[in-house]
Amino acid sequence: RKEVEQDPGPFNVPEGATVAFNCTYSNSASQSFFWYRQDCRKEPKLLMSVYSSGNEDGRFTAQLNRASQYISLLIRDSKLSDSATYLCVVSSSGNTPLVFGKGTRLSVIA
Amino acid sequence: GAVVSQHPSRVICKSGTSVKIECRSLDFQATTMFWYRQFPKQSLMLMATSNEGSKATYEQGVEKDKFLINHASLTLSTLTVTSAHPEDSSFYICSARDRSNTEAFFGQGTRLTVV
Repeated sequence: RKEVEQDPGPFNVPEGATVAFNCTYSNSASQSFFWYRQDCRKEPKLLMSVYSSGNEDGRFTAQLNRASQYISLLIRDSKLSDSATYLCVVSSSGNTPLVFGKGTRLSVIA
Repeated sequence: GAVVSQHPSRVICKSGTSVKIECRSLDFQATTMFWYRQFPKQSLMLMATSNEGSKATYEQGVEKDKFLINHASLTLSTLTVTSAHPEDSSFYICSARDRSNTEAFFGQGTRLTVV
């Protein structure tokens, strides 16, 4: 079983749509959770950290369920500029490497 | 925010030659840096953990003699791909976490093409 698994995608949605990405992780010792965004041929960039209580940043909402080892990202009112690959990322505590999911590609269409 | 700078961004080399990639933390000290590789339409795969002043830790399946890592200072780690072959063509990215050990920062990546 892969350490981090994501919806395979791609997701093709019209502008203004709401889209949800899911992710599961296998290491129960994981303590830090993130969503990164990666544009084509570029390095990943942090979109948001994910907290147990759930957190929201504008149109983006992230949720974590530790019991189910499940993470989600909700994007409301999709924009063309949201088109990218979204990476679910986890790590253990301290200065340990991040473990990446394969990513889910989103295409927002006009 | 913290910045990680990686050079070169793109390199094309002949099969059998060696290529050095540099990763610098510009405004923080990184005792540990991470090197990832990403093939097309694949996820980032950790290759090795670079530790300042000591030997790197390599992931299973990554040849330490082929991918030489040097972390001689708190702000610089280098990855040298020795005797490169076409199958080594990939996107190589370095990463470091700042002192708070929360967010990880990435270099711009190096797209290596071996011909």
